[in-house]
This record gives sequence, C-alpha cells and structure tokens, in this order.
Amino acid sequence: QKEVEQNSGPLSVPEGAIASLNCTYSDRVSQSFFWYRQYSGKSPELIMSIYSNGDKEDGRFTAQLNKASQYVSLLIRDSQPSDSATYLCAVNVRDDKIIFGKGTRLHILP
Amino acid sequence: DTGVSQDPRHKITKRGQNVTFRCDPISEHNRLYWYRQTLGQGPEFLTYFQNEAQLEKSRLLSDRFSAERPKGSFSTLEIQRTEQGDSAMYLCASSYSQGRETQYFGPGTRLLVL
Repeated sequence: QKEVEQNSGPLSVPEGAIASLNCTYSDRVSQSFFWYRQYSGKSPELIMSIYSNGDKEDGRFTAQLNKASQYVSLLIRDSQPSDSATYLCAVNVRDDKIIFGKGTRLHILP
Repeated sequence: DTGVSQDPRHKITKRGQNVTFRCDPISEHNRLYWYRQTLGQGPEFLTYFQNEAQLEKSRLLSDRFSAERPKGSFSTLEIQRTEQGDSAMYLCASSYSQGRETQYFGPGTRLLVL
C-alpha cells in the first residue's frame, strides 16, 4: 500500500516565524511531489511542485526534497495569519496518478 | 484559462435519491480526475479519464457510482440511491498528460445526504 504520511497537527506558529511542514512517502520510484494549501471549506490550491533533490524557492515558500530519505518538506517564511490552512502533501505513484496525505493543519498566531 | 469549474457547488438530498455532478476541466487538459474528501482526510481518488476513456476506478467506487466523459471534455459523476455515508466534498481536478501530472482542482461540490 503506497502511502503519504503527514503529522495532522495543529501546528501553531507565531506570526513572522518560519513554519516547517513535513511529509514522508513510501514509494521509492516517486518522481513528482506537490504541496497544496486548503482553506476550510475550499478546494486544494497548488502552491509548490518539486521534482529534484534539494531546495526550490518561490517567494516565502521553500520546498525541500530528499529522495534517499523519502522526505519532502515545505517551509513558509515570515508566516502570516492568511497562511493558516491545511497543507496537503501529494506524491505521484505513477505517471498519471498522485496520492495525498491527510494534511497538516497550520495555525499562525497573531 | 478559466480554471476547473464544478456544478452544483452544494447539494442537499434525501437518502435514496440520485444525484449528478458536473465538472468542466481546463480546456487544454486531457486528464480529468474525481476525488472524494471527508473532514480531516486528504482527497481520495475515485476515478480518472484520459480524453474520453475511463482508465481507472477505485475500489471505493461502488456500483452506485458512475462517471462519464462522453466527448473528452466535461465529465459527470452520478451517485444512485444515495446513502448518508456519501456525504462529502466531491472534487474534480484536471491535468495535461505532458505536464508532470500537475493537477488543478475545481471548487468542489459539497454533498449532504439527509
């Protein structure tokens, strides 16, 4: 059974601090990794994708991938109250299919 | 690019009734996915189409569920004889087969079965 594991949280982070979200996956052949943000009652919104080992930065977001450890993370710098949401990690299990973790709830404390 | 659209956004029905949801993908996307999401869970895969062909159905998809994509554009998901356990958010996503499987979601249809 291919799995994507995330800590469900909630993760509470003071405003302006760095939020660190983690995800592990079981399928060693996975090549594509995604982070989605989901506000309560809304649908998932893609915020980052990463395909190679190392870091990928986009504004206040940095995705980190370590395929040897089967680990992907998302860092949010200068956290804002608007970052409070559930963050879903998704991993491809073949060319045409991805599976999702259960998500980590992030709460930014004003 | 108008994004993925879904209709209706909300549906309340009584147990035993049939419901149908529609999804319009991003126009150039040839892959279309249906997911179900319940509270505290990530999206669970139900089925997907490449063009008009339905290539996979999850074991979660009982015989009461059927999906179509007759012309390779919009898709419909029908649930027959709804049960209270069908209450969930039904999400549609689309992607382009040459695009590293980046899926973009519609706003979802929230179903409540009374």
